[in-house]
Parts: sequence; C-alpha cells; structure tokens
Amino acid sequence: NAGVTQTPKFQVLKTGQSMTLQCAQDMNHNSMYWYRQDPGMGLRLIYYSASEGTTDKGEVPNGYNVSRLNKREFSLRLESAAPSQTSVYFCASRKEIYSNQPQHFGDGTRLSIL
Amino acid sequence: QQQVKQSPQSLIVQKGGISIINCAYENTAFDYFPWYQQFPGKGPALLIAIRPDVSEKKEGRFTISFNKSAKQFSLHIMDSQPGDSATYFCAARNYGGATNKLIFGTGTLLAVQP
Repeated sequence: NAGVTQTPKFQVLKTGQSMTLQCAQDMNHNSMYWYRQDPGMGLRLIYYSASEGTTDKGEVPNGYNVSRLNKREFSLRLESAAPSQTSVYFCASRKEIYSNQPQHFGDGTRLSIL
Repeated sequence: QQQVKQSPQSLIVQKGGISIINCAYENTAFDYFPWYQQFPGKGPALLIAIRPDVSEKKEGRFTISFNKSAKQFSLHIMDSQPGDSATYFCAARNYGGATNKLIFGTGTLLAVQP
C-alpha cells in the first residue's frame, strides 16, 4: 500500500529557480491537497483539488501554481522560488471533499531556498 | 474566526504519565475535530476524531474530551510511552462551508521520557 507518494523528498534551490513538486495517490481518491508546514505555524493549505479537472486556492496560494494532471496526480509548482518558500510541503488526499473519511498524507518534501 | 489555537507548544512527560494537549476554536460552524500524530520525517496521520454531539471519545490510551459551550477540546494520552513521542496537531472542519477544509492548530511536540 503506497498511499500518497511525494517526490522528491529533499531539494535545495537558489532564489529565482523554478521547481515542480510531484504527488501521486493510489487510493482512488477524488480530492487532493497541498499544505506547507512551518515551525510554529502548523499546516497551512496552499491549494486543493476537489476532483479531477478542478483546483482552488487555499489559505496561502501566492507564489504557487498547481495542476491536477489526472485523478492520481496533483503537482505543485514554484515559478520563481523565494527564501520565504523554504518549508516542508505535504500532499494529502481524501476519498471525497465532503466525506467524513480522513485525509491521508504523504511523507513530505523538504525544500530549502537559498 | 477560522483559527484553532493549540497549547502547549511543547510538552515533556514521564513514562506512564498523562499527556494533555488543549485546543480552542471560535467558529461554531465547525463540526468535526480530528487529532493528527506526526513522527519525524513522516506525514501526519489521523489518530482520533470527535463530532460535537458527544463529550468524549476514547480509543485505547487516547481520549478526546470536548466542551461545546467553552469551544474547547483536548487530547489525553494515558500511560504515555516513549513511542508516543511525536508532534500532535488538532484540527477542525466546517462541513457545511464552501470548501470543507481542515483548519489545523500549530502543533504540540510531545517528548515522553523513559
């Protein structure tokens, strides 16, 4: 059971570089989410996708774009990385956006912007 | 009104002791309150959850106490073990809202000393 798989696990970028974080789930879930986790800030929602073909902004979308490539995959792109985007990024999925079932998280991508 | 305030930020408990983590919220539309457990290098995983129509839910050594009038809920870990050492996040969801998003607390780092 792979669940939610995120790649890469670690990445170091220079300011201004671009990068795409990949996420794939094998649980046939419809909704997918991108969070960032910073010390003392908890988990903050960047973007989410309620179903294939739809994406919406979360709490902190500035500086990011997303693509719901298909039902399995949801990618997060940093077009011009900034040091403030240094964080741990988590992808999550849930069966349906309005279900009572829990969100399942990947193990994160640790991103440093120099 | 969308915030969930969590305390303490960190907690040290002796093996066999009781760990207590508290959360408070303002939005009375929240209708689902999960707790997530996160080990180093891993993503958060659902530990236990409660709905506001009950005052307590117990699963093994883990108990959620819910006080609807005070808009507070807490996680109690009985007979705490070193293996419980992790970061714990409370969260709240507005099921009837436009997005059904989870709002996370800022996290509590628990260390259980042997």
